[in-house]
Amino acid sequence: GNSVTQMEGPVTLSEEAFLTINCTYTATGYPSLFWYVQYPGEGLQLLLKATKADDKGSNKGFEATYRKETTSFHLEKGSVQVSDSAVYFCAGGTSYGKLTFGQGTILTVHP
Amino acid sequence: EAGVTQFPSHSVIEKGQTVTLRCDPISGHDNLYWYRRVMGKEIKFLLHFVKESKQDESGMPNNRFLAERTGGTYSTLKVQPAELEDSGVYFCASSQEYRGIHYEQYFGPGTRLTVT
Repeated sequence: GNSVTQMEGPVTLSEEAFLTINCTYTATGYPSLFWYVQYPGEGLQLLLKATKADDKGSNKGFEATYRKETTSFHLEKGSVQVSDSAVYFCAGGTSYGKLTFGQGTILTVHP
Repeated sequence: EAGVTQFPSHSVIEKGQTVTLRCDPISGHDNLYWYRRVMGKEIKFLLHFVKESKQDESGMPNNRFLAERTGGTYSTLKVQPAELEDSGVYFCASSQEYRGIHYEQYFGPGTRLTVT
């Protein structure tokens, strides 16, 4: 079956530091890939997505590129802010809509 | 437009009791999904409704869990009788579908279930 392996946290950074959260997937075929974010006290929000190989998803300064050769979809941001503190989930989706999630990575950014 | 809403936000029950969780999807979304996150682990798929029909219930852990979506609007997930391992956060999501393409899933805030 499909699976998503996500870098375990927690990750603690200072403001303006560079962020990378690794994500790799195993699937039959080529699923769409997503990063979801959950801010404290809120539900999951879609952060960015990519639907095919070499696609780059980007939003709010975050980026991730769908790498078929390494089956990866690593999340990056050049300069994190305190407001980026949240839990980040990598996920893969089939054409039927069902999502397979990674374990989630807690990010804490200090001023 | 209102987002996906879930009720209650938090429920604490004793082992052996029954709990019913409710999800109201975004109006017009035919697809409704239930997921669960057990403490610190990955979010796992439970089941998928298309309107009132169960499209995929492969993630339902056992027959203590019963999901319904009468009329194709809101959905309920009943756990009876609850066990300690059922504790976790239950998320609901909804999405549109057009010509076989599933669009973004919008998630609710989740219901935190604690079984003591």
